[in-house]
Amino acid sequence: EIVMTQSPATLSVSPGERATLSCRASQSVSSNLAWYQQKPGQAPRLLIYGASIRATGIPARFSGSGSGTEFTLIISSLQSEDFAIYYCQQYNNWPLTFGGGTKVEIK
Amino acid sequence: QLQLQESGPGLVKPSETLSLTCTVSGGSISSITYYWGWIRQPPGKGLEYIGSIYYRGNTYYNPSLESRVTISVDTSKNQFSLKLTSVTAADTAVYYCARQKSGSYRNWFDSWGQGTLVTVSS
Repeated sequence: EIVMTQSPATLSVSPGERATLSCRASQSVSSNLAWYQQKPGQAPRLLIYGASIRATGIPARFSGSGSGTEFTLIISSLQSEDFAIYYCQQYNNWPLTFGGGTKVEIK
Repeated sequence: QLQLQESGPGLVKPSETLSLTCTVSGGSISSITYYWGWIRQPPGKGLEYIGSIYYRGNTYYNPSLESRVTISVDTSKNQFSLKLTSVTAADTAVYYCARQKSGSYRNWFDSWGQGTLVTVSS
């Protein structure tokens, strides 16, 4: 099983600032990585797939990059609605696995 | 617009079987483009993939749960279901159903149900 490790566990950011979230895979997953956003009491929402392709309706301030074992999600200018938990998921190998999440909180 | 809705008991006794159904509306479960999956999230914790099913009945289960999991599909009702046997408190979680892209290297989840909390307790 591929282990996905996200860092940091918590990120404190002021509104309008940039947030950089990391996701590392225990072995190469090529570009087969997705990012999700989850707000309290809600289901996860797909943000990014293919490591860098924004899902339908996702604002351009969200961008993903990376390949192999190192991936990054950048939120260029945090809006109030962006404070949430973010998860990465690899789909290069079965079983599908998720990272432990990064909580983005208001500084 | 596609909607997924989980249903089933919110409380299950230890050693019994957890049974949930996901009803899909606004789209056909028989689409060749998608698998249909189950994911769970223990309170305050991260996401765990349980398994998936194709409309033809092909399944994939997480090896960590495979001995206890069965996922089935009913295309006539546009539903798919999850059964998890011999549950313990560790199976207490919010259970989500989700639509999953099919095909090699395309297995992300692009639409989710709202989730249902299942508590295992006597």
